Amino acid sequence: GQQLNQSPQSMFIQEGEDVSMNCTSSSIFNTWLWYKQDPGEGPVLLIALYKAGELTSNGRLTAQFGITRKDSFLNISASIPSDVGIYFCAGQNTDKLIFGTGTRLQVFP
Amino acid sequence: KAGVTQTPRYLIKTRGQQVTLSCSPISGHRSVSWYQQTPGQGLQFLFEYFSETQRNKGNFPGRFSGRQFSNSRSEMNVSTLELGDSALYLCASSEETGFSSYEQYFGPGTRLTVT
Repeated sequence: GQQLNQSPQSMFIQEGEDVSMNCTSSSIFNTWLWYKQDPGEGPVLLIALYKAGELTSNGRLTAQFGITRKDSFLNISASIPSDVGIYFCAGQNTDKLIFGTGTRLQVFP
Repeated sequence: KAGVTQTPRYLIKTRGQQVTLSCSPISGHRSVSWYQQTPGQGLQFLFEYFSETQRNKGNFPGRFSGRQFSNSRSEMNVSTLELGDSALYLCASSEETGFSSYEQYFGPGTRLTVT
């Protein structure tokens, strides 16, 4: 099945550091969503983006809808241990959401 | 508001059997989507139901089917289980109001193991 390319695949950072990850596609999307998934749980919606160039924040999280509409970025500032998990992007194409391959984040104290 | 609930949380079945999974969406949400999540293929879209009708379908064989009831609750059925059907099955619900229709909220999933 189709998946979007996310990078990096995994990150190991120290508490307090900032984190950046991105998602790219060969297709244009009208909506970008970012989710976080903890082990054994379903993904939790973090941020939704609806307009090219849009920059949206949710606490320490900031996401951007790329100008080309083929990419999106997520930044986490001043990481804390509870940021550990897998982050997924999702793009809306026609009537479906297509998910990225995920970025696994580990935060060390 | 209560979140999306899925039952059961864990299930072990034998190859060849069939299974039914249940999903109750967030109150007021009328769209329910189902996804299969595996380490190799990630999150793959199965199908979406809205007002008791299947509106979208992913690329899965006919062994995978679903339905939605008038109260928006949904069930998913997999017949003639194969080992490769072992996965986390996630249900997500969304409102049908403008842009928010694509803000899907997930349940905790049902972990299906086929032996």
